[in-house]
Amino acid sequence: GAVVSQHPSWVICKSGTSVKIECRSLDFQATTMFWYRQFPKQSLMLMATSNEGSKATYEQGVEKDKFLINHASLTLSTLTVTSAHPEDSSFYICSARGHTANYGYTFGSGTRLTVV
Amino acid sequence: GQQLNQSPQSMFIQEGEDVSMNCTSSSIFNTWLWYKQDPGEGPVLLIALYKAGELTSNGRLTAQFGITRKDSFLNISASIPSDVGIYFCAGRIDYNQGGKLIFGQGTELSVKP
Repeated sequence: GAVVSQHPSWVICKSGTSVKIECRSLDFQATTMFWYRQFPKQSLMLMATSNEGSKATYEQGVEKDKFLINHASLTLSTLTVTSAHPEDSSFYICSARGHTANYGYTFGSGTRLTVV
Repeated sequence: GQQLNQSPQSMFIQEGEDVSMNCTSSSIFNTWLWYKQDPGEGPVLLIALYKAGELTSNGRLTAQFGITRKDSFLNISASIPSDVGIYFCAGRIDYNQGGKLIFGQGTELSVKP
């Protein structure tokens, strides 16, 4: 149990375009989803926390208008990188948490974004 | 903000050796989690610790939640080549604050056959 599917696994886009990344909890209802960004050889940096049906809470320094997060259902959250630039190239990972506090945090397999 | 200090940053060991890594913090955490990440993949949960002093095993892995709630360690016994990867500790902030995780810097483990 506790499977999180993230799609796409990799994407290449041109500068100025927008890219949408999906995160789905397949066998549980995710009351909260987290989005992380990871640079090579570095740790995971939390970008935002989203609760189903409400606005996402962004970490300090993360541009809300740049990284749009939608958590419209208990099984789906999306991250849209708008007007992407080469510096947005990174590994983006989502994580989902169920109802129970000790349910645990299950991560998706990540999305490698390359902006050219 | 809250930070986790994870050490060592990297380890190069021989197959069969035991491994130990730890995380410390100036803040108290309610939960400690240990993850392993393979290249190009998301982290996979290894062990979750929920109570101070708790000692939990998962196969060859053993982790403990420090009594002070400010530290945790992970031991891997009799390492094998597939143990290669990056290990992260993570501390959970209070559930009422969104339950977000704070990650350590990671320990990159290399195992020589």
